Formats: sequence, C-alpha cells, structure tokens
Amino acid sequence: DIQMTQSPSSLSASVGDRITISCRSSQNIKKYLNWYQQKPGEAPKLLIYAAFTLQSGVPSRFSGSVSETGFTLIITNLQPEDFATYYCQHSYGSPVTFGQGTKVEI
Amino acid sequence: QVQLKQWGAGLLKPSETLSLTCGVYGETFRGYFWTWIRQSPGKGLEWIGEIDQTGSTNYNPALRSRITMSVDSIRRQFSLKVNSVTAADTAVYYCARGAIFYGDGRHFDSWGQGTLVGVSS
Repeated sequence: DIQMTQSPSSLSASVGDRITISCRSSQNIKKYLNWYQQKPGEAPKLLIYAAFTLQSGVPSRFSGSVSETGFTLIITNLQPEDFATYYCQHSYGSPVTFGQGTKVEI
Repeated sequence: QVQLKQWGAGLLKPSETLSLTCGVYGETFRGYFWTWIRQSPGKGLEWIGEIDQTGSTNYNPALRSRITMSVDSIRRQFSLKVNSVTAADTAVYYCARGAIFYGDGRHFDSWGQGTLVGVSS
C-alpha cells in the first residue's frame, strides 16, 4: 500500500494567519491527491481534489500545490471555522489511503 | 444536492456480523463508486471498499476475506457486511460517494453522517 505522511501532526495558529500542511507519499502518485477537513463529530469534507482543484463551495482561501517534495495544503487568512483536522488522501490505484491527519488549533 | 443517510446496528459481540446500509437521495446513482470508509483512533481513516451501480466491487485487501458489499440500484441503496468482527473493527463507519477524476482517480465528495460501531463481549 502507498503510505501517506503528513506534517506537522498538529500546529497552533491565530485567526488571520497563513498556514501550510505537507503531505508526502511513499511512491509517485502523480496528482492523485485530495484534501479533506474534519471537525469533531462530523464526517470529513472534501476541500481540494486532483492536488489543486478547489471543490465547489469551498472558500478560495484554501489552495493546494505540488512540488518535488510533495503536496501542500495552504490556508490563507485563517478563519475561526478553519480550526479542524486536515487529511490528505491518494487515489493512485487501490487501496486508497489517507494521511494520519494534521490538527489545526488556536 | 446529494444526501447520504446510513443506518445499522451499533453494538456487536465478537464473531458477529456488522451490517450497514446507506441510502442515496437527491441525485443520480449512476457514474459513481459507492464507498465505505471507517475511522478509528488507532488506525485513522481506512478505506474499506467500493461498489458501482452494476455491483462491481473493489475491496481493501486487508479486509477482503471478511467483507461483502451489495447494491440495490432501484432503491438507491448500498450495503456493507463485515463478518467475524473483533474489537479491532470498532470504529465510526462512513458511507461516501466516490467521484471520478483523471479517468480513474477517486475523491469522496459526499459523506453519510457516520455510524459508531462498537464490538465488545
């Protein structure tokens, strides 16, 4: 199985900050990478798919990027409702796997 | 706008069979991969498998020997069975819609509300 590794595991931030969350795969997954947001007691919510395509209805302060070192979720102008846990997920073949999550705290 | 609503037993004894069903409301049933995902503190988010409207399945090899998925396209429902459960199967189980990108990629754009399934003697 392809392993997905996120960093950091958690981070502290303030409203208005710009934050980045990294995700690396154990093998090349091209751009088959999605990002989700999960709040306590809720199902994950799709934010970005195919590495940088914003899901309909998701605010433009969320964006995704790809580099030689992996994938990055970027949140600019952090809002109170953005404090949550974020997961990456690959879909390059089967089985699909998820990262372990990054908790964004105040 | 699609909605997924799931139901099933939440408390099981070891060796029993987990059974969950997910209903799809509001949009077409065709052209998607209907998916089960579970989440536990120890293993995080784990993809269980998927089924399409024809009944074609794709299971996680780690669980393949114990799981069965089925679909009822007329009722717009799909189901999951996991047999011989143990405490390791304790998790929140989600149904989700798998939409396709790049021809064969999946992203999960709609989710059920989740069902907490506990396994204890």
